[in-house]
Amino acid sequence: QVQLQESGPGLVKPSETLSLTCIVSGSSITSSSFNWVWIRQPPGKGLDWIGNVKNSGDAYYNPSLKSRVTVSVDPSKNQFSLTLRSVTAADTAVYYCARRIVGRISYFYMDVWGKGTTVTVSS
Amino acid sequence: EIVLTQSPGTLSLSPGERATLSCRTSQSLSDTFLAWYQQKPGQAPRLLTYGASSRATGIPDRFSVSGSGTDFTLTITRLAPEDFAVYYCQHYGSSPAITFGQGTRLEIK
Repeated sequence: QVQLQESGPGLVKPSETLSLTCIVSGSSITSSSFNWVWIRQPPGKGLDWIGNVKNSGDAYYNPSLKSRVTVSVDPSKNQFSLTLRSVTAADTAVYYCARRIVGRISYFYMDVWGKGTTVTVSS
Repeated sequence: EIVLTQSPGTLSLSPGERATLSCRTSQSLSDTFLAWYQQKPGQAPRLLTYGASSRATGIPDRFSVSGSGTDFTLTITRLAPEDFAVYYCQHYGSSPAITFGQGTRLEIK
């Protein structure tokens, strides 16, 4: 049974850095069949894609966040991470990690999601 | 970048009725590279369907998808109480970017 679990602080001060980790169990983060994804959901709003990372460490980001975000993998711990710099109140959201099925040249859907973690940006 | 527009924003129906949710794409899709997710309050989204007709594991057959080109539909026949939730469509294909529709809220009438 594949499970993803987000962890990290629930409160971050404005201008500081948000760091979250997603621990993966039941699936290898080194598999070429998946990308690993971060998605967020501001209160009362829809789903916003943040970024993806491959098993190689290559990452792809939402252009609106690209200058502030880093997504990386840690194969030794079978987990991947999100770093979002210079946060503001607009970054307050539930943050989800997810597994995305990929092909050799195609990218598909997210078949497994973490339960999400709430991050509030406030002083 | 393909933009997804879902309609209606909110759909009010009673248990047992049929629900029809729409997802329109800004560009014609050569194949049905579309997924649908269900999200209940306080929960993560859950994959419902993908492609032209595939349901994810454990999804009942009252959920079905149809459409082509720019117009796609998620149909739920005989609504069950647990089906009232928010539904999102997502396009996928050759780009690593992920785009979602803005969602349709299915509420009990």
